[in-house]
Amino acid sequence: AQRVTQPEKLLSVFKGAPVELKCNYSYSGSPELFWYVQYSRQRLQLLLRHISRESIKGFTADLNKGETSFHLKKPFAQEEDSAMYYCALKVGSARQLTFGSGTQLTVLP
Amino acid sequence: DVKVTQSSRYLVKRTGEKVFLECVQDMDHENMFWYRQDPGLGLRLIYFSYDVKMKEKGDIPEGYSVSREKKERFSLILESASTNQTSMYLCASSLVNPDTQYFGPGTRLTVL
Repeated sequence: AQRVTQPEKLLSVFKGAPVELKCNYSYSGSPELFWYVQYSRQRLQLLLRHISRESIKGFTADLNKGETSFHLKKPFAQEEDSAMYYCALKVGSARQLTFGSGTQLTVLP
Repeated sequence: DVKVTQSSRYLVKRTGEKVFLECVQDMDHENMFWYRQDPGLGLRLIYFSYDVKMKEKGDIPEGYSVSREKKERFSLILESASTNQTSMYLCASSLVNPDTQYFGPGTRLTVL
């Protein structure tokens, strides 16, 4: 069965420092990967998807099929980036996503 | 703007009670989902529905059932609540493609 692993429950960085939130997946086929974000007192929402190859709020994520990873990166973290981040996987024509356990990012002033 | 609403933000129930959590979406989405959100365990899918009266089990369906009588409404039912069902419950909806799911504000259920 497919699985998403986010090894860091908590991650703290200082403002202006680079940040990388790790995501690894297990699936033998061609996956679709996503990052969802939940800011304090807000709803969970889609941040970005690998297929779009876009940068959202300065964040990018590259799918590395060799390493089965989809790490989320930002070169200069801002305090407003503090949030819970979830990596999610869709396999084939599935009608649901598989989410990881989440990483709570805190950007310190 | 897609709106997903959940019937309660906070709920306190006693062990053994029957609990109904309701979710309504206003965008004519085909798919609706119920998740549990627990610290350290992340988001786990309980049940989802891709059409009226259709449902499929997610990863942790035990102790739960669902009902979807109308397209816009998806109910989660705890037949006999137990303390280990104390959690944050999130409802979501999406079009046929589940990539972009729209989440409700969540219901924090405490079972005493």
